Amino acid sequence: DTAVSQTPKYLVTQMGNDKSIKCEQNLGHDTMYWYKQDSKKFLKIMFSYNNKELIINETVPNRFSPKSPDKAHLNLHINSLELGDSAVYFCASSLRTGDNSPLHFGNGTRLTVT
Amino acid sequence: SQKIEQNSEALNIQEGKTATLTCNYTNYSPAYLQWYRQDPGRGPVFLLLIRENEKEKRKERLKVTFDTTLKQSLFHITASQPADSATYLCALLTYNTDKLIFGTGTRLQVFP
Repeated sequence: DTAVSQTPKYLVTQMGNDKSIKCEQNLGHDTMYWYKQDSKKFLKIMFSYNNKELIINETVPNRFSPKSPDKAHLNLHINSLELGDSAVYFCASSLRTGDNSPLHFGNGTRLTVT
Repeated sequence: SQKIEQNSEALNIQEGKTATLTCNYTNYSPAYLQWYRQDPGRGPVFLLLIRENEKEKRKERLKVTFDTTLKQSLFHITASQPADSATYLCALLTYNTDKLIFGTGTRLQVFP
């Protein structure tokens, strides 16, 4: 019954590894997002997809690659993990893009790179 | 440079009082401003939205104001309760982007 669900909730890994975070929404929304929340709780957009099409691609290292197999799913793959990638990553969805549709967030994936 | 600023210090108030949180922005022309609540270990949850041509919006004990001259939004919780303790985030959407940009958040602590 969870509207936006992301897995895993916790991810601990070593530098240099590759990892993926998965996200699914069952709200029928067209737009999905990845946000990064750093240790100071600042929430910054990384990517957004509208109906599987990339709309927003912020200044994010190429090591981060989002993939949207369908409009209900948006996964985030991270290559060659670095210490600075440690953060909480939130997936979100909204009805449409570029209007006042509120965002529905998942509960986050806490990534710790050691 | 563009900034969205909220009180970085935690706001501590007594139960029953009105909590007022501020959101100031510079070098943005927001079309909409939204407020979210975030509890520890959870994602933000949408509370209220206000458009640039609206002065005030209410929902139960919550009230949001939007002053485009002062470039400021105020978020009020009346008759606050300990259950209102959380971090509150403002976010704005401008006309020329599709991005919802978040402020730094203010932690509210309501004590009995």
